[in-house]
Amino acid sequence: DTGVSQDPRHKITKRGQNVTFRCDPISEHNRLYWYRQTLGQGPEFLTYFQNEAQLEKSRLLSDRFSAERPKGSFSTLEIQRTEQGDSAMYLCASSLAHGLVTEAFFGQGTRLTVV
Amino acid sequence: QKEVEQNSGPLSVPEGAIASLNCTYSDRGSQSFFWYRQYSGKSPELIMFIYSNGDKEDGRFTAQLNKASQYVSLLIRDSQPSDSATYLCAVNRSGGGADGLTFGKGTHLIIQP
Repeated sequence: DTGVSQDPRHKITKRGQNVTFRCDPISEHNRLYWYRQTLGQGPEFLTYFQNEAQLEKSRLLSDRFSAERPKGSFSTLEIQRTEQGDSAMYLCASSLAHGLVTEAFFGQGTRLTVV
Repeated sequence: QKEVEQNSGPLSVPEGAIASLNCTYSDRGSQSFFWYRQYSGKSPELIMFIYSNGDKEDGRFTAQLNKASQYVSLLIRDSQPSDSATYLCAVNRSGGGADGLTFGKGTHLIIQP
């Protein structure tokens, strides 16, 4: 399967702990995105990378959140000092940026529960 | 605040009928528009995209775009129970090197056997 892969699929953590999620994009895709989705809402954009460069971060992304894509391949999203409000599905997507339309394909997501 | 609006539903449609899903957007700079399907507990799955005014057909799905009215729709012909899902409308984020998508909250579609 050459789709977007995320790990872990589920994470339960205690408030105040740090968590890290991993995303492996489709291999030839140069753009990688992180979104957050809560129940009853559409995904919200968090950040995106072109190759290894992080080009944009949403104002939704507090200083407790950091993302990296060190070699332009896989990416990690770390949340420090988790809060209950961080409980959500964290979605990664990738795309091959070309022309007018950039089709993004999502991974299965990581469901985070902060207790 | 750039927004994408959808009726949250639920929208109930009998099997075999046409389901019509609507979406409006606020950013006139948006150029491409996407429909994703999301089953409960799963991640969004791309159905189709459109960037020119008019209709675009792909199998049982037709996307319609009217940029003057800032309106996008998705028609599903011959609806099947397996089409029951939440349908997310998404619009490309535009300006200042922005990328990624702005999503609506989704419309919950129920196909009644």
